[in-house]
Amino acid sequence: EDQVTQSPEALRLQEGESSSLNCSYTVSGLRGLFWYRQDPGKGPEFLFTLYSAGEEKEKERLKATLTKKESFLHITAPKPEDSATYLCAVQAGSGGYNKLIFGAGTRLAVHP
Amino acid sequence: NAGVMQNPRHLVRRRGQEARLRCSPMKGHSHVYWYRQLPEEGLKFMVYLQKENIIDESGMPKERFSAEFPKEGPSILRIQQVVRGDSAAYFCASKEVSETQYFGPGTRLLVL
Repeated sequence: EDQVTQSPEALRLQEGESSSLNCSYTVSGLRGLFWYRQDPGKGPEFLFTLYSAGEEKEKERLKATLTKKESFLHITAPKPEDSATYLCAVQAGSGGYNKLIFGAGTRLAVHP
Repeated sequence: NAGVMQNPRHLVRRRGQEARLRCSPMKGHSHVYWYRQLPEEGLKFMVYLQKENIIDESGMPKERFSAEFPKEGPSILRIQQVVRGDSAAYFCASKEVSETQYFGPGTRLLVL
């Protein structure tokens, strides 16, 4: 069964303290791995799509990487406005290509 | 370019009533997805539609739930005879050629 697991469930950082969020997945034929940010009471906001192992993408303080079994979202020198829940999702290749399978998310709190 | 729009943003229903949720995709998008997010859980796929067609409804309960995406107008997710367990946030996403799904702000359904 296709599955996505995110860790940690929650992370508290001081402003400027860099860290990484993990997304491990088991899926039959990965078509794409997606990172979203979700603020309380809002819908998921698209961040990155990764398609193949070794691929990396960056946006401001965020960098996403992908291996054959997991993805990392690296946050460099975070600011309080980076506080949010970060969601990882995969799109499978066989039979499930129409839908995203989401992890439960990592709740990030960045304190000044 | 307006994003994905959903209405209402909040909906309160009593047990046994009907709930009707609307989703207008991004301009130019003809693929619509519905997801449900239960409290403290990740997003779960419900149904995937293209104009006038249901492509994949494998995540939608067989009873009481239905979805449509007519040639003209928004996509509708309809829940008949709501029960307390239907209380959740319902998100719509749309896409076109690329695999990236863009989400709306969601409808928060509360069943009393």
